[in-house]
Order: sequence, then C-alpha cells, then structure tokens
Amino acid sequence: DIQLTQSPSFLSASVGDRVIITCRASQAIGSYVAWYQQKPGKAPSLLIYAASTLQSGVPSRFSGSGSGTEFTLTISSLQPEDFATYFCQQLISNPPWTFGQGTKVEVK
Amino acid sequence: QVTLKESGPVLVKPTETLTLTCTVSGFSLSNVRMGVSWMRQSPGKPLEWLAHIFSNDEKSYSPSLRTRLTISKDTSKSQVVLTMTNVDPVDTATYFCARVQRYNTWPTSYWYFDLWGRGTLVAVSS
Repeated sequence: DIQLTQSPSFLSASVGDRVIITCRASQAIGSYVAWYQQKPGKAPSLLIYAASTLQSGVPSRFSGSGSGTEFTLTISSLQPEDFATYFCQQLISNPPWTFGQGTKVEVK
Repeated sequence: QVTLKESGPVLVKPTETLTLTCTVSGFSLSNVRMGVSWMRQSPGKPLEWLAHIFSNDEKSYSPSLRTRLTISKDTSKSQVVLTMTNVDPVDTATYFCARVQRYNTWPTSYWYFDLWGRGTLVAVSS
C-alpha cells in the first residue's frame, strides 16, 4: 500500500499567516493527490484535486503543488474560518486510496 | 441538489454484522464518471478508506479489511450498502460515504471525493 506522511501534525498560526503543509508519499504517485479540510464534527470538504486544481467555490488563498512523492498545500493568508484539520489523499489509478494522518491548524 | 446520507444502527454488539446504507440524490449511481466510497474515522484519528464501488459494479476494498467487508449498490433505489462482519469495539467510528468523481484530461484522468455525507456514528459494545 502507498503510505502518506503529512508534516507537521500540528501547526499553530495566526490570522494572516502563510501556512504550508507537506504530504510525502512512500512511492511516486504522479499528480494523483487531493487535499481536504475537516472541521470538528463535520465531514471533510474537497479543496484541491490533481495536486493543484482548485475545487469550484474554494477560495483562491488555497493552492496545491507537487508531483511524484512530495506535495504541498499552501494557505496564502490564513483566515479565521481556516482553523481546521487538513488531509491529503492519494488516488493513483484504482483503489485502495489512502489518506494522510492529518495536520491540525490551531490558533497561535 | 446533490446529497449523500448515511444511515444505520447506532449501537452494534461485538461479533455482529454491521449494515450501513448511503442514500444519494441528485446523481445516478450508473453515471460512468462517478462512484461511491465508504470511509471511517475513529475519534481523534485520521480517515480510513474502506471500500469503493464503480458505476459498472466493480468493487474494491481496503486490504486490511477485505475479508470482512462487502459493498453493493441498488441503482434503482440510489443506495450503496456496506456490510462489515464480526465487528469489534475497535470498529467504533463515524462512517462516511462520499461521491467519487473522475476528471478526464488527456492523457490521464483523476479521481476525487467531491461530496460527502455528514457521517453516522456507530458504537460497538456489549
């Protein structure tokens, strides 16, 4: 199975900060990565797919990059509603499709 | 409006079989660009992908749970059903279903989970 490792696991930041979350894959997965945001007690919501394509309706302060084994999610200017947990997911070819362990973005 | 809604028992006893239903609306389970996956999340833990069913009825399972899971769909009822046999307290979690879409861009295509249900909490306890 392909393993995904996110770093950091926890991140303290302030409104207006630039936030970068990294996701590393145990083997090359092209650009087959998606990113999700999850708030407490809620279902995840899609932010980015195909490593860098912004889902419709997602603010442009979110961006994704990377290919192969290393991927990043960047929030250019953190907003109050962005404090949440973020997950990466690999979707190379057919399942199984695995998730990273998550990065919790907390108020500094 | 596209929605997915999970339903099932709140409490299940160890060794019993858990049956969960995902009822979808706003899209067809026969759409070739779409499928449905099930995931779960134990408190404070990351998401765990469990199973997927494609529009052509092809199925895929988590390797670690393959022997205990069965996924099926009833297109006429717009429902996807997941059964898990021989449950254990470690199976206590919130279970989610999600629509999985395929984005075609030559020469490849990408999958992504664009819409999720709100989840259903299942406790396994005697």
